[in-house]
Amino acid sequence: DAGVTQSPTHLIKTRGQQVTLRCSPKSGHDTVSWYQQALGQGPQFIFQYYEEEERQRGNFPDRFSGHQFPNYSSELNVNALLLGDSALYLCASSPLRPGGATDTQYFGPGTRLTVL
Amino acid sequence: GEDVEQSLFLSVREGDSSVINCTYTDSSSTYLYWYKQEPGAGLQLLTYIFSNMDMKQDQRLTVLLNKKDKHLSLRIADTQTGDSAIYFCAERTLSSNTGKLIFGQGTTLQVKP
Repeated sequence: DAGVTQSPTHLIKTRGQQVTLRCSPKSGHDTVSWYQQALGQGPQFIFQYYEEEERQRGNFPDRFSGHQFPNYSSELNVNALLLGDSALYLCASSPLRPGGATDTQYFGPGTRLTVL
Repeated sequence: GEDVEQSLFLSVREGDSSVINCTYTDSSSTYLYWYKQEPGAGLQLLTYIFSNMDMKQDQRLTVLLNKKDKHLSLRIADTQTGDSAIYFCAERTLSSNTGKLIFGQGTTLQVKP
């Protein structure tokens, strides 16, 4: 059973460019969350997707957007990249319980984004 | 407010027990988690505890929860060099149906042979 997978592993971009990161959830999981982990810090919640819609959003600007596909995979898009966007971007997947609460989240290996 | 704090560094000798501490502020926390992160890797779920429990044991791992003091600890028995990593405490609050996790800044565990 494959766990959460993310691509690419590493990415280098320059300021002002746009980037798309991809995530495939663990088998049986229908909810995908994205987190940003700056160097030396804990992960910060960006947003969560379920049924192709954004359920909740953290304190991130509109430059950060996402999408979920019918097969539950997800993309994170960041426009107009800033130096401060350099970080490890983590995807987490979870099943949704009856009643609507999200169950335990399992994380992928992350995508390391460097903005020059 | 939502805030989780951890001490930044812990060094132990191989074979000793390690205790990593965490404090949180949101009294409505439902689940509290411990994740492990090895260099260059993602987060590995180690264990979690529901807020109506005081203790949970899973092989070498023991989680203690003091809800009154909002204090969580992770004890690793017989610590091995392979346990060297960053350990994150995370809380999930009652208000978050999405299961949004609030993480601490992580504790680096160094295990000396």
